Amino acid sequence: AQSVTQPDIHITVSEGASLELRCNYSYGATPYLFWYVQSPGQGLQLLLKYFSGDTLVQGIKGFEAEFKRSQSSFNLRKPSVHWSDAAEYFCAVGSGNTGKLIFGQGTTLQVKP
Amino acid sequence: DTGVSQNPRHKITKRGQNVTFRCDPISEHNRLYWYRQTLGQGPEFLTYFQNEAQLEKSRLLSDRFSAERPKGSFSTLEIQRTEQGDSAMYLCASSLANDRGGYTFGSGTRLTVV
Repeated sequence: AQSVTQPDIHITVSEGASLELRCNYSYGATPYLFWYVQSPGQGLQLLLKYFSGDTLVQGIKGFEAEFKRSQSSFNLRKPSVHWSDAAEYFCAVGSGNTGKLIFGQGTTLQVKP
Repeated sequence: DTGVSQNPRHKITKRGQNVTFRCDPISEHNRLYWYRQTLGQGPEFLTYFQNEAQLEKSRLLSDRFSAERPKGSFSTLEIQRTEQGDSAMYLCASSLANDRGGYTFGSGTRLTVV
């Protein structure tokens, strides 16, 4: 069965510091992988996606993620965090044909001034 | 393009009442998805449509839940005889079929059953 694990429920970083949010997935075939961000009281916004090809994908707002098949991981990174990045981040895996997604539990990012 | 619109934003209802939510997707998107999100959890898939056809329903979607997408445009999600466990954020998303999960989400409808 497909599943997504985000090991860190809550992360706090200082503004300007680098960020890495972890995501591990379980999927039998080549996965379609996504990162979404959710600000309080809002819907989710797509940050980036991986379907195939280059394993390092660039997204919006300066985020990037790297697909590592050997580790079943798709970690999200940002070199320098801004206060406006404080939000909840969700990793998701999709089957492709239906577009249906399985989401992780989410990681809440707090940014210290 | 005004994005995905969901109405109402908030709904408080008494247990046992029926509620209906509406989702207006991006007009050129042929796929529409409904998810449910409870506090501290990621969204869980409920159902999806391609055009007007409902192609898959989650086992989470009990007999009290029904969704429609007449004419392949807006969609409605109805919950009959609401229960306190139905309290959640109901999210709608739309996409093109080849987006394979790269959705545009609406802001959601927060349901509170008292």
